[in-house]
Amino acid sequence: RKEVEQDPGPFNVPEGATVAFNCTYSNSASQSFFWYRQDCRKEPKLLMSVYSSGNEDGRFTAQLNRASQYISLLIRDSKLSDSATYLCVVTSGGGADGLTFGKGTHLIIQP
Amino acid sequence: GAVVSQHPSRVICKSGTSVKIECRSLDFQATTMFWYRQFPKQSLMLMATSNEGSKATYEQGVEKDKFLINHASLTLSTLTVTSAHPEDSSFYICSAQKLGTINEQYFGPGTRLTVT
Repeated sequence: RKEVEQDPGPFNVPEGATVAFNCTYSNSASQSFFWYRQDCRKEPKLLMSVYSSGNEDGRFTAQLNRASQYISLLIRDSKLSDSATYLCVVTSGGGADGLTFGKGTHLIIQP
Repeated sequence: GAVVSQHPSRVICKSGTSVKIECRSLDFQATTMFWYRQFPKQSLMLMATSNEGSKATYEQGVEKDKFLINHASLTLSTLTVTSAHPEDSSFYICSAQKLGTINEQYFGPGTRLTVT
């Protein structure tokens, strides 16, 4: 079983719509959770951290369910510039640890 | 800001030669830097963790004698791919953890290595 699993998509969504991605992780000892965004042939950029209490940053909302080992990302009022690959990322430690990446979910926002 | 640079951005080398890739945190200090590799349509895979002033920690399956890592200062880590083979062709990305944060990593722009 892969450590971090995501639906690869692509998700084709009209501009202005709301879209949700999910991710599951296998290591119950995972402590930190993130969503990164990666544009084609570029480096990943941190989108947001994910907390058990849920957190929101503008049009983006992330949720963590530790019991189900499940992470979600919701994008409201999607923009053309949101088109990218969204990477679910976990790390097992609380200190300096390498990140474990999912393969990513490809999102295409259509005009 | 939290800017990480990598050099070179792209390199083509012949089989059997060595290639050095530099990773620098430009506006912050990073005691820990990480090296990842990404093959086409695959996720980033952690290769090694580099701590300033100490030996790097390699992930299972990554040959430490082939991928030499040096972390000479709080802002610079280097990865040398020795005796490169075509199967080493990949996108190599470093990240730097900002001192004082928990796992907040910032990525360099990556180095695309092609071994002919």
